Amino acid sequence: DTGVSQNPRHKITKRGQNVTFRCDPISEHNRLYWYRQTLGQGPEFLTYFQNEAQLEKSRLLSDRFSAERPKGSFSTLEIQRTEQGDSAMYLCASSLYSLGTHEQFFGPGTRLTVL
Amino acid sequence: AQTVTQSQPEMSVQEAETVTLSCTYDTSESDYYLFWYKQPPSRQMILVIRQEAYKQQNATENRFSVNFQKAAKSFSLKISDSQLGDAAMYFCAYCFGNEKLTFGTGTRLTIIP
Repeated sequence: DTGVSQNPRHKITKRGQNVTFRCDPISEHNRLYWYRQTLGQGPEFLTYFQNEAQLEKSRLLSDRFSAERPKGSFSTLEIQRTEQGDSAMYLCASSLYSLGTHEQFFGPGTRLTVL
Repeated sequence: AQTVTQSQPEMSVQEAETVTLSCTYDTSESDYYLFWYKQPPSRQMILVIRQEAYKQQNATENRFSVNFQKAAKSFSLKISDSQLGDAAMYFCAYCFGNEKLTFGTGTRLTIIP
């Protein structure tokens, strides 16, 4: 399967701990997006990369959140000093930036539970 | 800021019947893209249909079609011949400039056998 993959699929952590999620996009896709989805809501944009450059960060992305995409391949999203309000599904999506191509392909998500 | 509104939190339809999901949006842009994504229970989100704002013709993908009313900023999804596998959360989304997606709050669609 050559779709977007995310690991881990589930993460349970205690408040105050740090967590890191990984996203592997479709191999030829140069754009990678992170979204957060809470129960009963649509996904909300967090940040996105074109190759290794982080082009935009949402105001939702507090200083405790950091994302990287070294070498323009996989990406990691780290949350430091987790809070109960961080509990959510974290979705990764990728796309091929070119004229006329606007479809984002989503991964299965990482569900974070902060106790 | 762009906003997307889905005013129907839940909808249900008899199998084989037709159902329409509503979506309105707000933008000051003239050239943008609209999408309907499907999110089945515990499965990943997949694209159902896409509409370019500069195209007047409504997009169609098999049993799925849209009614795009640009002046009214309305973008509804019609599902014909509903099947059990259509049961899912449906999200309307907006995109400008090939960047981030702005999603609505979703409509949960139930198919009644």
